Amino acid sequence: RKEVEQDPGPFNVPEGATVAFNCTYSNSASQSFFWYRQDCRKEPKLLMSVYSSGNEDGRFTAQLNRASQYISLLIRDSKLSDSATYLCAVNGDSGGSNYKLTFGKGTLLTVNP
Amino acid sequence: DAGVTQSPTHLIKTRGQHVTLRCSPISGHKSVSWYQQVLGQGPQFIFQYYEKEERGRGNFPDRFSARQFPNYSSELNVNALLLGDSALYLCASSSLGGGDEQYFGPGTRLTVT
Repeated sequence: RKEVEQDPGPFNVPEGATVAFNCTYSNSASQSFFWYRQDCRKEPKLLMSVYSSGNEDGRFTAQLNRASQYISLLIRDSKLSDSATYLCAVNGDSGGSNYKLTFGKGTLLTVNP
Repeated sequence: DAGVTQSPTHLIKTRGQHVTLRCSPISGHKSVSWYQQVLGQGPQFIFQYYEKEERGRGNFPDRFSARQFPNYSSELNVNALLLGDSALYLCASSSLGGGDEQYFGPGTRLTVT
């Protein structure tokens, strides 16, 4: 099983749609979880940290389910500018380290007019 | 405040050569991590340094080495370049390392011919 797995995508949605991304992780000892967005040929930019209680930032909502070992990102009222690749990242690995981020492959989102 | 800076932005090398990539973290951050990202994949962890000490190393050959300087800037060195080393090399800055939020620089795009 891969350490971090994301929906393969790509997702094509119309403006105004709600879109959800899911990510599962294998290391039950992981403590920190993040969503990044990455525009084409640019660096990943931190979008949100994911907290146990769930958190919201405007149109973006992130949730963590420790029992099932998955995190999710919900984007409401999607905009053209939301088009990007969304990467989930989890700290730690199967070897017990907590200093590295392990990333999923990313899911490409295209929001269409 | 300046974000994470990396140099050079682009680099073309031939097989067998050596390359040095540089990174300056966000002011006040003491930890630098290096990642390699190939097309279609998420970033893969190479090293993390904190207070000039190597905290961890990913699954990369000994041709890859790094160091951190007293001002917290860092260098990544790759010897005996292979075609497969062509990638975007990303530096990430964090306050304390570990499970902290990591902020990426713009990356160095390395092409090996």
